[in-house]
Amino acid sequence: QVQLVESGGGVVQPGRSVRVSCAASGFTFSTYAMNWVRQAPGKGLEWVAVISYDGRNKDYADSVKGRFTISRDNSKNTLYLQMISLRAEDTAVYYCARDVGLEVAGTVVRWFDLWGQGTLVSVSS
Amino acid sequence: DIQMTQSPSSLSASVGDRVTITCRASQSISNYLNWYQQKPGKAPKLLIYVASSLQSGVPSRFSGSGSGTDFTLTISSLQPADFATYFCQQSYSNSYTFGQGTKLEIK
Repeated sequence: QVQLVESGGGVVQPGRSVRVSCAASGFTFSTYAMNWVRQAPGKGLEWVAVISYDGRNKDYADSVKGRFTISRDNSKNTLYLQMISLRAEDTAVYYCARDVGLEVAGTVVRWFDLWGQGTLVSVSS
Repeated sequence: DIQMTQSPSSLSASVGDRVTITCRASQSISNYLNWYQQKPGKAPKLLIYVASSLQSGVPSRFSGSGSGTDFTLTISSLQPADFATYFCQQSYSNSYTFGQGTKLEIK
């Protein structure tokens, strides 16, 4: 079954750290770029980070740059997001999403075709 | 960063209605535009990619159009399962910005 399953969320105190994971199954994980997207309670979607299929290239939203680190272990079919120095505004459901890229006329168009169910990270004292 | 603005933010409609949601980019993004549907408590689901390509398994009553800065998502005949929140997303730049969402409610 093709799926993504997040884990590792919970209640975390401000300033502390947490790592969330995303386990992939049913497809060749090592051939896809992957993303983290978050959604604060009652709010819209915010892209957080992307990692290339081989882990060599990464990019982050300005709001998390320097505090969050995306990584992957292709031998374990697992994506990670390490979050440090957490703030109340980081409270959100964190989704992992598979990134499909298609080369068209020398450029690559992308979309997210598979999402996990999400894991809630609540930053509160 | 590229800003994505959807309109309207909310919309009331009836089963069988034709509905159009608009997404505007702050700069030209060619056709690098995707649409997602999200129901309460669920993950987003891809509907349309590259502005007008229908994702496999998505009903044909959904369609997308546009290029440059202005895009539309159209539902030709609303069904009960379509009442949800819809988000556009640009993939022209690495920041993958989403629109703020359009909540489609039953009239």
